[in-house]
This record gives sequence, C-alpha cells and structure tokens, in this order.
Amino acid sequence: AQSVTQLGSHVSVSEGALVLLRCNYSSSVPPYLFWYVQYPNQGLQLLLKYTSAATLVKGINGFEAEFKKSETSFHLTKPSAHMSDAAEYFCAVSTGANSKLTFGKGITLSVRP
Amino acid sequence: EAGVAQSPRYKIIEKRQSVAFWCNPISGHATLYWYQQILGQGPKLLIQFQNNGVVDDSQLPKDRFSAERLKGVDSTLKIQPAKLEDSAVYLCASSLELTSGNEQFFGPGTRLTVL
Repeated sequence: AQSVTQLGSHVSVSEGALVLLRCNYSSSVPPYLFWYVQYPNQGLQLLLKYTSAATLVKGINGFEAEFKKSETSFHLTKPSAHMSDAAEYFCAVSTGANSKLTFGKGITLSVRP
Repeated sequence: EAGVAQSPRYKIIEKRQSVAFWCNPISGHATLYWYQQILGQGPKLLIQFQNNGVVDDSQLPKDRFSAERLKGVDSTLKIQPAKLEDSAVYLCASSLELTSGNEQFFGPGTRLTVL
C-alpha cells in the first residue's frame, strides 16, 4: 500500500522568504512522486514530478523538490515566496503499473506582504 | 489544447435526491479518473477508466454511486440517493495512458452541497 503524510495544515511565510513544504511517503516499491497546486475554485495543476531520474526536480514557478530515499521524503521548496504562491499544495504518490494517485491531505500556504 | 471540462460547476440538492456530473477529458487521453475531495482533505480516487473499461473502483460506494464511460470519451458520475456526507468537490482528471508517472490533468471540479 502507498501513502503520503503532509504534517501541519497551514504554513505562513513573508514575501521573499524561503518556502518549505514537507512531504513523506510510504511505498513498498519505488515510487513516482508529485506536487500539485490548487488555487481557489480551480482544479489541481502539476508543479513537478519525480520519476526515478534526477533526485532534484525543478518545476514551474521556481519550485523544486528533492527525492531522498533514505528519509522517504519529497519536500517542496522555493527560495523566495511571492504573493501569487498563496494556494493549497498537495503531495501525491503513484506506484506500479496503475497510475492511481494517492494524495496527502494538503497544506495551505499563506504569503504575508 | 483544451483542458478537462466538467459541468455543472456547482450543485445544491437535498438528501435522498439524485445528481449527475459530466466530464469531457482532453482529446486523445485514454485514462479518466473521478476523485472526491472533501473539505480539508486531499482528493480520493473513486473510479478509474481505461478507454471504456473500469480499472479501479475499489473506493466507489457502489450502493449509491455509479459511473460510466460508454464510448471511451466523456464520462458521467451519478449519486443516487445522495447523503449529507457526499458534500464535496468532485474532480475529473485524464491522462494520456495508464502508466505510472504520467501526468494527470484536472478539471475545475463540481462542488456538491447536500442539504
């Protein structure tokens, strides 16, 4: 079985500060890992994904994430937060032949002026 | 390229009524998913289609929920009868194929309120 843990429900940072959103996964086989962003009243949009190539993955809008097998983690970072980054962020895992995604419960990011 | 289309965007019904949601995936995408997203939670897969066949419906409450994708393109999800706990956003997504690692593209969702 696969699962994702996103600790905490809300992160608040100042504009220009580092963004760090944590994600830990559980999987008995090598996983594919994803970060999605959801703006109010919109669907989910893919930020980045790890598919067993480079462990440091760069995505859209300046976000990146590093796959650490030893820590079973896939934390999302951005060096400098922008007001437009305020949204809900979901980490998800997929394994095996089926492309089924298992999502974490999400983290709401607020950006203070 | 047009995205995943869903309708209606909002629906309010009373408990025990029926409701149906429609999804049109991105052209050429063989795999279609329906997710339920309850407030404060991540999306949960209800059912997954590959063309017009069901791949996974293990988390679909089959006593009240049904879904079909008859021609392998658009899909409908039905709830009959609805319960209060069905209040959620219903997201449709599609991907080019079934393989893990494929990006899923999401529609804007249908927000269902059951009174």
